[in-house]
Amino acid sequence: DAGVIQSPRHEVTEMGQEVTLRCKPISGHNSLFWYRQTMMRGLELLIYFNNNVPIDDSGMPEDRFSAKMPNASFSTLKIQPSEPRDSAVYFCASSFDGNEQFFGPGTRLTVL
Amino acid sequence: AQKVTQAQTEISVVEKEDVTLDCVYETRDTTYYLFWYKQPPSGELVFLIRRNSFDEQNEISGRYSWNFQKSTSSFNFTITASQVVDSAVYFCALSELGNNDMRFGAGTRLTVKP
Repeated sequence: DAGVIQSPRHEVTEMGQEVTLRCKPISGHNSLFWYRQTMMRGLELLIYFNNNVPIDDSGMPEDRFSAKMPNASFSTLKIQPSEPRDSAVYFCASSFDGNEQFFGPGTRLTVL
Repeated sequence: AQKVTQAQTEISVVEKEDVTLDCVYETRDTTYYLFWYKQPPSGELVFLIRRNSFDEQNEISGRYSWNFQKSTSSFNFTITASQVVDSAVYFCALSELGNNDMRFGAGTRLTVKP
């Protein structure tokens, strides 16, 4: 069974550029989560969707961050414009009906 | 608001030693879920266990065991006869019923030396 798929696995970009991270949840899961992990702040929930609808985006740091889930099998997290302090590992996770979340391999983002 | 505390930042043991990772949580809900995840050096987050607040039975899975004590709001994780492959960061997490917002502790970095 395919787990959560994220792309790209690594992204290096320059400050000011737009970055788009992609996620394909596990088939049949109805909740999708975006997390950010840094040494300073640990694992932070950015936003989550339930049945493709954004439920809680209070963790999104600022307006430069946006997330979409156009259908049950795809979600994007966009940063525009990117800044060096956005450098982190971004994880996508999915779950079914509030059960345990399964994480993707993460995208390591470096903003120069 | 829910909160998870993992007071041990780093633990180092020698192979074959037993080690316990502590997790203390705070919640106002009577129904909630507790989790442990493992993050090996490769970086992925691996689900280990989920426990609901009504089930205080201890769980054992091979060398892993979990001790859930509602009286002390703790959900501790013990690895028996540790191995080098157990070296990882271990996260405890909590979510409240009806709330998908899973809060993670800061993690405990376990190093098992040969």
